[in-house]
Amino acid sequence: EIALTQSPGTLSLSPGERATLSCRASQSVSSTYFAWYQHKIGQAPRLLIYGTSNRATGIPDRFSGSGSGTDFTLTISRLEPEDFAVYYCQSFGGSPPYSFGQGTKLEIK
Amino acid sequence: QVQLQESGPGLVQPSQTLSLTCTVSGGSISSDDHYWSWIRQPPGKGLEWIGYIFNRGGTFFNPSLKSRVTMSLDTSKNQFSLRMTSVSVADTAVYFCAREEDDFLSFDSWGQGILVTVSS
Repeated sequence: EIALTQSPGTLSLSPGERATLSCRASQSVSSTYFAWYQHKIGQAPRLLIYGTSNRATGIPDRFSGSGSGTDFTLTISRLEPEDFAVYYCQSFGGSPPYSFGQGTKLEIK
Repeated sequence: QVQLQESGPGLVQPSQTLSLTCTVSGGSISSDDHYWSWIRQPPGKGLEWIGYIFNRGGTFFNPSLKSRVTMSLDTSKNQFSLRMTSVSVADTAVYFCAREEDDFLSFDSWGQGILVTVSS
């Protein structure tokens, strides 16, 4: 199984600031099959980034993804009030084939 | 835009069978480009992929759950379903259905989830 470790567990920032979220894999993963999701309680999770750096349909350009191998990053360039949520990384490979990180909670400072 | 909605009992007794259905609107579950997954999140824990089914009825499951899980399609209703047998308290979770696209193997549409509690 590929273990995905997200850091930090909680990130406290103010609107307008830059957020940097990290995800480290226990072994190298294909950048083609790496994604980020946003989740707000009671709502459906939303795909933000697929293929490491591609924004999903309707995702604002303040969200960007980067990385390769075992280290991946989600950056939100300038936080808006609606961005405060839990963020998950996800990869494909190994057994089971789909792995998720434990999440980073982005909260208002 | 495709939408998914989970339905089923919110309470299941230990050792019984959990049955959930996902209704898909705005897209066909007969699509060749998508797989249809179930994913769960126990309280306070991370997301766990359960398995998927695709348009010809083929399935693939998480090895840790394989012995207890089946999935099925109902193309006439545009629905897919999950059955999990011999549930225990450890199966208490929010269950999500999701659509996976097969180019980047990411989940591009999700339901909002349904809480299933296993308790007597």
